[in-house]
Amino acid sequence: DAMVIQNPRYQVTQFGKPVTLSCSQTLNHNVMYWYQQKSSQAPKLLFHYYDKDFNNEADTPDNFQSRRPNTSFCFLDIRSPGLGDAAMYLCATSRDWPTGLTGANVLTFGAGSRLTVL
Amino acid sequence: EDKVVQSPLSLVVHEGDTVTLNCSYEVTNFRSLLWYKQEKKAPTFLFMLTSSGIEKKSGRLSSILDKKELFSILNITATQTGDSAIYLCAASSLPLYTGTASKLTFGTGTRLQVTL
Repeated sequence: DAMVIQNPRYQVTQFGKPVTLSCSQTLNHNVMYWYQQKSSQAPKLLFHYYDKDFNNEADTPDNFQSRRPNTSFCFLDIRSPGLGDAAMYLCATSRDWPTGLTGANVLTFGAGSRLTVL
Repeated sequence: EDKVVQSPLSLVVHEGDTVTLNCSYEVTNFRSLLWYKQEKKAPTFLFMLTSSGIEKKSGRLSSILDKKELFSILNITATQTGDSAIYLCAASSLPLYTGTASKLTFGTGTRLQVTL
């Protein structure tokens, strides 16, 4: 089945130790998103790639970076994790056409990577 | 700032009850309203609504959008324990520029617990 795979599912790191989370997709979707979801809070968009174009949200801290080496893969790098960065990180994909509505905006999510910072 | 508000925040019902979950939104350049179900894993897609007043149904679940009043409801009839989950509402906005995608603004969700 076509899907979105996130690794690792659980990541424990120490304060300040860099972390990389990965996301791969077999849907051939052109858009990939990273959301941060803290306990009992709404998923918050960090950034997204539209094809190769990177789009950062205005309030995403510089500590969070992303790479998309090809259509299928996207990485989230947290350069110096703080205690406040402990959260579930959700990767999602979509096929987005700005001028059409059919099938647009239906994000397909991965299972998430839960980050613990000690 | 785009905002989505869901109510109630949590709900406990008995199996067989009918529940109504609410979602109001304020989003610039609104495109569509989506409902997702989130258990202890990835959110799974339920409905996408783009037109007012047209009900979408899938089994015991149904949803409707009111674009004038800026809200949507999700109904679940004859609830089952397997319906226990967090139900997320999200409003989609049109892309701002070439090279950007539509974005979803999520509510905090309604935690539904169905008991025997």
